[in-house]
Amino acid sequence: DAEITQSPRHKITETGRQVTLACHQTWNHNNMFWYRQDLGHGLRLIHYSYGVHDTNKGEVSDGYSVSRSNTEDLPLTLESAASSQTSVYFCASKPGLSSYEQYFGPGTRLTVT
Amino acid sequence: DQQVKQNSPSLSVQEGRISILNCDYTNSMFDYFLWYKKYPAEGPTFLISISSIKDKNEDGRFTVFLNKSAKHLSLHIVPSQPGDSAVYFCAASSGGGADGLTFGKGTHLIIQP
Repeated sequence: DAEITQSPRHKITETGRQVTLACHQTWNHNNMFWYRQDLGHGLRLIHYSYGVHDTNKGEVSDGYSVSRSNTEDLPLTLESAASSQTSVYFCASKPGLSSYEQYFGPGTRLTVT
Repeated sequence: DQQVKQNSPSLSVQEGRISILNCDYTNSMFDYFLWYKKYPAEGPTFLISISSIKDKNEDGRFTVFLNKSAKHLSLHIVPSQPGDSAVYFCAASSGGGADGLTFGKGTHLIIQP
């Protein structure tokens, strides 16, 4: 069955380290998204991509980057992790620009110490 | 400024009764609204949606109502079941679904036996 996976599911890192969170979907969806969920904030959009080699900044993009080299993957990189980036990160995808419903991965819980 | 608001952090309902979850929005450009359900340690899953050109959408036990003049939508669950206990997020989209979703903070629904 087609699905969307995230790895690792849990990660502890130190302040200042570079961290990459993986997101992989097998639906062949063009659009992919990264969100973070924090207590009291719901889910907030970090970056998104319409397709290969396309990336766009979301509401809370500072300190994060993404790259899209193929349809299936959209890795999220924290260039220099900060304690404020301790959060749960969700990747999502949807078929195309005209569709609204997004399908979410299981999430990665990241702790920055 | 929060564009999608869920003012009730939690709601407790007796099994078999109706659950009503509310959501307000401020951005007039939103043209599509979605409800997601989230269990602990899992990603959000799509529940039901409604276009801004409609005022009601029904799917089994779930009905979403949209009042555009009041910028208000609600999710009704009838009858409520124990498995409905979860966090429910209201989300909105503008621009025909091209960009990411804007989420509310969520409402934790607890179904009492």
